[in-house]
Amino acid sequence: AQKVTQAQTEISVVEKEDVTLDCVYETRDTTYYLFWYKQPPSGELVFLIRRNSFDEQNEISGRYSWNFQKSTSSFNFTITASQVVDSAVYFCALSGNSGAGSYQLTFGKGTKLSVIP
Amino acid sequence: SQTIHQWPATLVQPVGSPLSLECTVEGTSNPNLYWYRQAAGRGLQLLFYSVGIGQISSEVPQNLSASRPQDRQFILSSKKLLLSDSGFYLCAWSRGTGAGNEQFFGPGTRLTVL
Repeated sequence: AQKVTQAQTEISVVEKEDVTLDCVYETRDTTYYLFWYKQPPSGELVFLIRRNSFDEQNEISGRYSWNFQKSTSSFNFTITASQVVDSAVYFCALSGNSGAGSYQLTFGKGTKLSVIP
Repeated sequence: SQTIHQWPATLVQPVGSPLSLECTVEGTSNPNLYWYRQAAGRGLQLLFYSVGIGQISSEVPQNLSASRPQDRQFILSSKKLLLSDSGFYLCAWSRGTGAGNEQFFGPGTRLTVL
């Protein structure tokens, strides 16, 4: 069974601070994919990034960066110089390649980030 | 470009009434389609997914059903709503098959059952 744990339920930071959202996953699949989604107050989930299990290179996109470490089964997300518009619930998700049910995204419970001006 | 629509955006229904939520996708063919429910605790639960017309897989036994009458149309239904059916319902699509394709979500329907 697959599992995604986002231990941080809520985080508050002051604008311009850096913040890291943690994600730890469990899977028996040798090939799998990790995702991050953002859910602003409007409710729609916005896709941010996909990473496959064979690519451990960290990725940076503007103020966003992702740190994938297979050794610790973690896929953490860092926002640099946070802004009020970053306030949202962020979900980490996992998809495996084990055949039946492989279309599923297993989501963590989400981390609510509040950026205070 | 692809877009995904859901309606209605908000719905308030009495217990025991029927339900029909609709989702349509534009700009792609033969997408995989998904229905999720997000309860007050924020977690997302996969309810149904479909890889083609008339093909529905149910992930969780419940009071709901899904149908896919056309390639890019996905409908979530119930004959009699329960209080526990309240929540935020999200439709999503992805390309092709397999585990690596990202899912793109619609704007959601907020359902309140009274």
